[in-house]
Amino acid sequence: AQTVTQSQPEMSVQEAETVTLSCTYDTSESDYYLFWYKQPPSRQMILVIRQEAYKQQNATENRFSVNFQKAAKSFSLKISDSQLGDAAMYFCAYNTINDYKLSFGAGTTVTVRA
Amino acid sequence: DAGVTQSPTHLIKTRGQQVTLRCSPKSGHDTVSWYQQALGQGPQFIFQYYEEEERQRGNFPDRFSGHQFPNYSSELNVNALLLGDSALYLCASSLWRGNTDTQYFGPGTRLTVL
Repeated sequence: AQTVTQSQPEMSVQEAETVTLSCTYDTSESDYYLFWYKQPPSRQMILVIRQEAYKQQNATENRFSVNFQKAAKSFSLKISDSQLGDAAMYFCAYNTINDYKLSFGAGTTVTVRA
Repeated sequence: DAGVTQSPTHLIKTRGQQVTLRCSPKSGHDTVSWYQQALGQGPQFIFQYYEEEERQRGNFPDRFSGHQFPNYSSELNVNALLLGDSALYLCASSLWRGNTDTQYFGPGTRLTVL
């Protein structure tokens, strides 16, 4: 069974500061894909960033970057220069080429203080 | 470029009733997945459709069924509703490429069972 663990239920960050969200996963597969999705109160699940496991280089999308540690099965998300619009629930998710479904963690609620 | 759309936005039903939720995939996508998200939790995979066939199913009872139409749109049907079926139902679309493609989500349908 695929499992994704997000150990931080809530994180708070000052506007313009940096926050890091942690995620660990468990798989015996060697070829898989990792994602961070953002879900604001509007409920729309929005893709933040995607990482292919075979790529050693960490993915980056503007102010969002990941630290992918394959051996440790860790996939953290760093939000730099935090903005009020970053406030949302963030979900780590994972799937493989042999399993179509996305498996999600329980989520981390990010609050941005003005 | 139209994103994933879902209807209705909200729905209120009583126990024992049946409900149908609808999803239109993002333009160019041919695969639709359905997820159930209970309040405060991560989404749980229900099933995925491609070429009008159910390709994979999660751990949900047979009361949950689906359909995909030739235009790639999809329906989720839930029979004999239970109070525990109250949740946000998310539809995600992707392109069938051996499951390497990212899933993009719609805004969801909030189902309340009384």
